[in-house]
Amino acid sequence: EVQLVESGGGLVQPGGSLRLSCAASGFTFSSYEMNWVRQAPGKGLEWVSYISSSGSTIYYADSVKGRFTISRDNAKNSLYLQMNSLRAEDTAVYYCARDRGYCSGGSCFPGAFDIWGQGTMVTVSS
Amino acid sequence: DIQMTQSPSSLSASVGDRVTITCQASQDISNYLNWYQQKPGKAPKLLIYDASNLETGVPSRFSGSGSGTDFTFTISSLQPEDIATYYCQQYDNLPTGTFGQGTKVEIK
Repeated sequence: EVQLVESGGGLVQPGGSLRLSCAASGFTFSSYEMNWVRQAPGKGLEWVSYISSSGSTIYYADSVKGRFTISRDNAKNSLYLQMNSLRAEDTAVYYCARDRGYCSGGSCFPGAFDIWGQGTMVTVSS
Repeated sequence: DIQMTQSPSSLSASVGDRVTITCQASQDISNYLNWYQQKPGKAPKLLIYDASNLETGVPSRFSGSGSGTDFTFTISSLQPEDIATYYCQQYDNLPTGTFGQGTKVEIK
């Protein structure tokens, strides 16, 4: 079964750090671009970060740039999101999502997010 | 950055009704648009990709159309299990993944 399972969420104080993980199974993880998407309580979906299959191309939303770091370990079929300098407005459910796009010739072309994890809740509060 | 304007923000319809949601891009995105369904407490689910292609396993009452800047998502006959929030998403270029604000669909 194709599956993504997030972990690592929890309660953290403002200014603190947290590392989210996303474990992939049922497909060749190293062949897919991946994303993090978040959803604040009662709000809509917000794309957070993108990483190409090799890890060589990375993008961030302006709201997290300089504070969050996306990475992956293809040998462990895992995606990560290191979150530093957390703020109250980072409180959200964080989803990892498989990207159906591709990279070729040094350029990456995004696609639909066809597989999503169940999400992990991050609460930033004192 | 490309902005996506989705409307309405919510709607109420009867079982069997035809439901239409629109999404407008701030610039031409060709057909690089997806539609997702999110039920309460669940992860989003891909329904339509490339503006009009039905994802495998998705009921045929769901459909999408449009290109350029104007897109439409339709449920031809609303069913009780379709109660959810629906989001459009553009993927014309990277940084990727701009979502619309969402449309909450309820049963009248």
